[in-house]
Amino acid sequence: DVKVTQSSRYLVKRTGEKVFLECVQDMDHENMFWYRQDPGLGLRLIYFSYDVKMKEKGDIPEGYSVSREKKERFSLILESASTNQTSMYLCASSLQQNTEAFFGQGTRLTVV
Amino acid sequence: GEDVEQSLFLSVREGDSSVINCTYTDSSSTYLYWYKQEPGAGLQLLTYIFSNMDMKQDQRLTVLLNKKDKHLSLRIADTQTGDSAIYFCAEKPLWPPAGGYNKLIFGAGTRLAVHP
Repeated sequence: DVKVTQSSRYLVKRTGEKVFLECVQDMDHENMFWYRQDPGLGLRLIYFSYDVKMKEKGDIPEGYSVSREKKERFSLILESASTNQTSMYLCASSLQQNTEAFFGQGTRLTVV
Repeated sequence: GEDVEQSLFLSVREGDSSVINCTYTDSSSTYLYWYKQEPGAGLQLLTYIFSNMDMKQDQRLTVLLNKKDKHLSLRIADTQTGDSAIYFCAEKPLWPPAGGYNKLIFGAGTRLAVHP
């Protein structure tokens, strides 16, 4: 069964903290994505990776970085968390040419 | 630029049909998708349609595509309380070229509320 797992369902962090959001997929997918979901805005792409150690900026990369050291794991890093980064973060993965992206359950991050 | 638009809310009575509408701007899109998000969960792919098709039916779900108007709709027959969720329309543009990655452009989502 297809599985994308995000390490935390809920996180509360303080302004200025360094935050790591982890995502693991067990389907040997090449592509992995990080989106944030905000009411009325839908899903916006932060970063994606199409191979190990490869990364590309999405539509809203500012304030974020990513790491893909292994094929199955894609980490989203908030170098210095700010309150405007309070959001639901969704990780997804897909095969190189596949039509379908599989999503994790989401991490709701609150920055106080 | 790329844009996908949906109405934000839809309320229907249990047993009625629901129709969720979406418009998109990229005429080069190859695939168009409907995802469902239940409360507290990630997104689940419901169905997708190739851009060279007009209609796709899968049990209670019917997808209609009007390429001329760039309009996509999802019809749910006999809507049940378990269908209450947020429904996202998404498109996959041809750019960037295949061989790179699958970039999906999402709408804001339509919250479907089913009442007795």
